[in-house]
Amino acid sequence: KNEVEQSPQNLTAQEGEFITINCSYSVGISALHWLQQHPGGGIVSLFMLSSGKKKHGRLIATINIQEKHSSLHITASHPRDSAVYICAARGGADGLTFGKGTHLIIQP
Amino acid sequence: GAGVSQSPRYKVAKRGQDVALRCDPISGHVSLFWYQQALGQGPEFLTYFQNEAQLDKSGLPSDRFFAERPEGSVSTLKIQRTQQEDSAVYLCASSPLGQGNSPLHFGNGTRLTVT
Repeated sequence: KNEVEQSPQNLTAQEGEFITINCSYSVGISALHWLQQHPGGGIVSLFMLSSGKKKHGRLIATINIQEKHSSLHITASHPRDSAVYICAARGGADGLTFGKGTHLIIQP
Repeated sequence: GAGVSQSPRYKVAKRGQDVALRCDPISGHVSLFWYQQALGQGPEFLTYFQNEAQLDKSGLPSDRFFAERPEGSVSTLKIQRTQQEDSAVYLCASSPLGQGNSPLHFGNGTRLTVT
C-alpha cells in the first residue's frame, strides 16, 4: 500500500509570499495528482504529473521519480489561493492514495 | 453535462436507514472512483470501476457498503443500515481512460450526516 505524506499540514503566509507544499510517497506510481479543495466545495484537479515539471499560471508542480517526491509551488500568493491542497498518488491498480492535505491560508 | 455530477448534495439519515448516492460521470469516461472523506481528513479510496466492471472494492469499509455501475455510466453507492461513523463526504471521480496516467475529474461530493 502506498503511503503518501504531505508537509506542512498547515501553512499561513502573507500575500505575495512564495509557497511550497511537499509530497512524498513510498512506492512507484503511474501518476501524481495535485488537487485543490475549497471549504464546502468539490475537488479541482490542478496537475497530473508523471515526470518533470508543469506550470499553470502562478502554480508550478515538480516531481522527482527517483526520490519519490513532488512539490507544489505558488508564486505571488493571493488570499484566493487559500484552500486545502492535496496530493494523490496513482499506482498500478489505478486506485488513488491521498495525502491528508495542506491547509493553506494567505493573509492580505 | 460538463462535469461530474453527484446527488444529492446533502443527505441526512437516521441511524439504521439505507441511503443511495448517485454519481453521473462525464459522458464516455471509462473509469469511475468513489472516495470517502471524513471531516478534516484526506479522501480515502472506496472502490473503482472500469466501465461496468468493479475492478477494486478493497476500500469499502464493510459489507454494508455496495456500489454498482450496471451500464458503465451512472454509478450508485449504497450504504445499508447507516451508522454514525458513516458520516462523511462521499466523492466521485471519473477519468476518460483506464490507464493510471489519465486525468481525474471530481464531483462536488455528497455530504452524508447520520444522526
